[in-house]
Amino acid sequence: DMKVTQMPRYLIKRMGENVLLECGQDMSHETMYWYRQDPGLGLQLIYISYDVDSNSEGDIPKGYRVSRKKREHFSLILDSAKTNQTSVYFCASSLEGHVNERLFFGHGTKLSVL
Amino acid sequence: QQKVQQSPESLSVPEGGMASLNCTSSDRNFQYFWWYRQHSGEGPKALMSIFSDGDKKEGRFTAHLNKASLHVSLHIRDSQPSDSALYFCAASEPNNYAQGLTFGLGTRVSVFP
Repeated sequence: DMKVTQMPRYLIKRMGENVLLECGQDMSHETMYWYRQDPGLGLQLIYISYDVDSNSEGDIPKGYRVSRKKREHFSLILDSAKTNQTSVYFCASSLEGHVNERLFFGHGTKLSVL
Repeated sequence: QQKVQQSPESLSVPEGGMASLNCTSSDRNFQYFWWYRQHSGEGPKALMSIFSDGDKKEGRFTAHLNKASLHVSLHIRDSQPSDSALYFCAASEPNNYAQGLTFGLGTRVSVFP
């Protein structure tokens, strides 16, 4: 069905709590991404995963870590969340990560850290 | 400094009219461009890519790339209310493997009846 699914859609956490954002795709794509979107800053790349257990930092990795134990599943973890991590987080995937491949995005998770 | 700059920030277009969006890269390594569209409450969705100089047409959408000036534009012909959305230009280096895309801040398009 060519879909990227993100859970949950909305999340409210207190500062210092741990946060787990989940992403799944049904296209057997090798490459997956986590972006965050903020007003005035656009979409910023947090992490990339080339395949299972093969991850690389993006432009703003500080305060985040990721886990990919199955090709179809990619998690973003915030250990001890901070208020400046309030944002909308998007997961995306592409077939093999080549520049001529489009990215497929999920609907996003809106995270509020109070 | 934003490596991918878009203009205008917002644009109002009458239904049936033409919308023209602009994008410029300040990084000469960025030569591959994509246009993405994001409707409210959804994730971005790829519209089209352009990697070579000149025009590329897909339905009502036409992209134009000038590699010498690193300028790319998107023209939406016969604009429909469903075209109201945030449009992103995204760029990449030609030999960039699995490094993701660098996005501009977007142009918000509103199509009015």
